[in-house]
Amino acid sequence: ETGVTQSPTHLIKTRGQQVTLRCSSQSGHNTVSWYQQALGQGPQFIFQYYREEENGRGNFPPRFSGLQFPNYSSELNVNALELDDSALYLCASSLNLDTGELFFGEGSRLTVL
Amino acid sequence: DAKTTQPNSMESNEEEPVHLPCNHSTISGTDYIHWYRQLPSQGPEYVIHGLTSNVNNRMASLAIAEDRKSSTLILHRATLRDAAVYYCIPTGSSNTGKLIFGQGTTLQVKP
Repeated sequence: ETGVTQSPTHLIKTRGQQVTLRCSSQSGHNTVSWYQQALGQGPQFIFQYYREEENGRGNFPPRFSGLQFPNYSSELNVNALELDDSALYLCASSLNLDTGELFFGEGSRLTVL
Repeated sequence: DAKTTQPNSMESNEEEPVHLPCNHSTISGTDYIHWYRQLPSQGPEYVIHGLTSNVNNRMASLAIAEDRKSSTLILHRATLRDAAVYYCIPTGSSNTGKLIFGQGTTLQVKP
């Protein structure tokens, strides 16, 4: 059983650019959540997708958007990058909406210059 | 969302038990208590969760106070690999993917 995989692992962008981060869920998992973790802080919930539909969103502006595909893989898109978007972006999948166990990937480290 | 209070850091010696406390006095009656940990340079990892009764699994034990306003994660024999940030997270049964992480407790394990 493969775990949650994220790509790329590291990337550098400049202010104003756009970025797409990708996540492959654990096999059989239909729910994916994205988190942003700034240095020294706990992860912050961005949004969740369930069966290709957004199912809740944290306190993030609309320039953070996402997609979930029929195979339950997912993308996080961030437009008009700002310096404060520099962070570790984590993807987590779960078997369904009401399970208590999330499986996290190792994250994508984004640096905005 | 329930607010949690955890010590910023704790130290333990290898092979000794560790008790990691968490206060969640505003927890809702239907909220589960989840514990996750994050090892250096890795994503968070699920440890255990419970509602009212004490829970055990291969990684740890979770002791929940009778009034549910606090809980304690117990590592029975700490190893160097247990050095991590431990997060206590009250979570409603309908939004388990929307975890609200606090600052957590950084556990150091000394050989």
